[in-house]
Amino acid sequence: LAKTTQPISMDSYEGQEVNITCSHNNIATNDYITWYQQFPSQGPRFIIQGYKTKVTNEVASLFIPADRKSSTLSLPRVSLSDTAVYYCLVGLYTGGFKTIFGAGTRLFVKA
Amino acid sequence: AAGVIQSPRHLIKEKRETATLKCYPIPRHDTVYWYQQGPGQDPQFLISFYEKMQSDKGSIPDRFSAQQFSDYHSELNMSSLELGDSALYFCASSPPSPVTEQFFGPGTRLTVL
Repeated sequence: LAKTTQPISMDSYEGQEVNITCSHNNIATNDYITWYQQFPSQGPRFIIQGYKTKVTNEVASLFIPADRKSSTLSLPRVSLSDTAVYYCLVGLYTGGFKTIFGAGTRLFVKA
Repeated sequence: AAGVIQSPRHLIKEKRETATLKCYPIPRHDTVYWYQQGPGQDPQFLISFYEKMQSDKGSIPDRFSAQQFSDYHSELNMSSLELGDSALYFCASSPPSPVTEQFFGPGTRLTVL
């Protein structure tokens, strides 16, 4: 399974766009990239998944360059409620059946 | 919409006791995962089941065992509990491929005294 590296923490203000980049240099050809959000004492929640180029849904965008060695989760106009930990996962689909959560990014959104 | 159900939500045990955590996946989901998350830590994959067969193992102690039953619910059995087993235990389920999003339950908070 590909190892991922993310910033430990990030600060932002309400209304700003937040971009969290994840490095996954040894991503395999069949690997997908998935992002989860987790609030304290709650289970992680799926945000977005992609394989290449750009994926957008109602809450976020995922940018994946051609070499796929990194990916960037973009959260438009964050609010206080977006304060959470964000995890980047890389694997066949979501790592097949063995899902490895690396050290996530703790995002703090300030008023 | 139905979600993953875990029971109990809270559990307090003494050292060396046993505990059983239950997970009821979303209907028609064929894969179940178990995770352990200690205070301030990231989720650690324990074990997974695909169509009632164990599929992968992570950092699951030998004192722990799990199984998935014919109705697809799963149980995580923990014996000889240690203080370090105190954590949130999450169960997740996912539908048949190629959709691979994992849906997490609310977790069981285990406290070992």
